Amino acid sequence: GENVEQHPSTLSVQEGDSAVIKCTYSDSASNYFPWYKQELGKRPQLIIDIRSNVGEKKDQRIAVTLNKTAKHFSLHITETQPEDSAVYFCAASIAGTASKLTFGTGTRLQVTL
Amino acid sequence: GAVVSQHPSRVICKSGTSVKIECRSLDFQATTMFWYRQFPKKSLMLMATSNEGSKATYEQGVEKDKFLINHASLTLSTLTVTSAHPEDSSFYICSASFAGGPPRNYNEQFFGPGTRLTVL
Repeated sequence: GENVEQHPSTLSVQEGDSAVIKCTYSDSASNYFPWYKQELGKRPQLIIDIRSNVGEKKDQRIAVTLNKTAKHFSLHITETQPEDSAVYFCAASIAGTASKLTFGTGTRLQVTL
Repeated sequence: GAVVSQHPSRVICKSGTSVKIECRSLDFQATTMFWYRQFPKKSLMLMATSNEGSKATYEQGVEKDKFLINHASLTLSTLTVTSAHPEDSSFYICSASFAGGPPRNYNEQFFGPGTRLTVL
């Protein structure tokens, strides 16, 4: 089955700096890669996703890049703000109706003032 | 749109009792619902995939007789933790996917707010 690894497990940045979180996946058939933000005790919220037919996608301060050959994808957050502090999870699945997601281990991002 | 609710949000029960958790898609029909378990500071672990009108598919290592899943309609799935023990204490989260196709993103899963189960 699919295996998703995520690094780093914790990341501390100063407000205004950029943050990068990286994930690798094992199943070359995976072609849908969402990123979720989860605050303590809350549900995961989708912040951005990418399909394998594109290499990069951007939404304001958030961007995701995908390297299919190397089987890795990354989340980039620019101009970080304290409210970006949360746990971020990457995930992978095979596109299709209601395919299951395999989650990474999570990255705890702390944005300090 | 795409709102998923869970009930209850918190439950405390005695060891040996059974607990039922409901997951509802409020404004869309969900062909498939997923049940996850999350331990403190850990990732979401998929327990089972539930399709409306059919038996759930359990992940390896998940006891189907202990975690009973029923998906009776396109808007409701239930997870029953039977004969609960303290080690079953965890955060249980469901998610739902759209029944329809494009232009909806039918890969996207919409998560419920979670249920925190504490077994004494």
